[in-house]
Amino acid sequence: GEDVEQSLFLSVREGDSSVINCTYTDSSSTYLYWYKQEPGAGLQLLTYIFSNMDMKQDQRLTVLLNKKDKHLSLRIADTQTGDSAIYFCAAHAGNMLTFGGGTRLMVKP
Amino acid sequence: DAGVTQSPTHLIKTRGQQVTLRCSPKSGHDTVSWYQQALGQGPQFIFQYYEEEERQRGNFPDRFSGHQFPNYSSELNVNALLLGDSALYLCASSPRTGVPYNEQFFGPGTRLTVL
Repeated sequence: GEDVEQSLFLSVREGDSSVINCTYTDSSSTYLYWYKQEPGAGLQLLTYIFSNMDMKQDQRLTVLLNKKDKHLSLRIADTQTGDSAIYFCAAHAGNMLTFGGGTRLMVKP
Repeated sequence: DAGVTQSPTHLIKTRGQQVTLRCSPKSGHDTVSWYQQALGQGPQFIFQYYEEEERQRGNFPDRFSGHQFPNYSSELNVNALLLGDSALYLCASSPRTGVPYNEQFFGPGTRLTVL
């Protein structure tokens, strides 16, 4: 089955860019997603990318997809303290999402 | 639009008991998926319901069962609870058609603690 891996932790200063990385194993995944989870809350969809795209930009968010290496990244420009949360990448194949373990982003003022 | 709602918010049970969690999908959605999120981990897919039938199942034992009602709401039942069943249970709904990327909207979850 699909396996999705993420680094555990990232710390940045307010105003810097954050880059969160993810790798996946199943090349048949059609869509790849980035979700944000704040303490005590459910998951909020931030953005997604279709597997035939290389890049997608959505305001402060940029998603890069390297399908050959099965590598996905999320760049947050001008990171704010409100961006502190856990970020999950997820691969969509069939009817299910397979999530990575999450990357905790800490933004220091 | 109320979005995806789940009840109860928190639940405490003891080992061996049974539990039922409930989910109401977002308006206009007919597909409901359930995920288990253990502390410090990513969500894991339990199963998905569509047209009142289980459409796909993840790697979970038969102790986990579900149901979908004609109004598209859903229940997750867990029998013979184990300590390891303690987790946040997330419900997600999605529309069958209308969006190209099958976005799943998540509810706030039910926090289950098994003592």
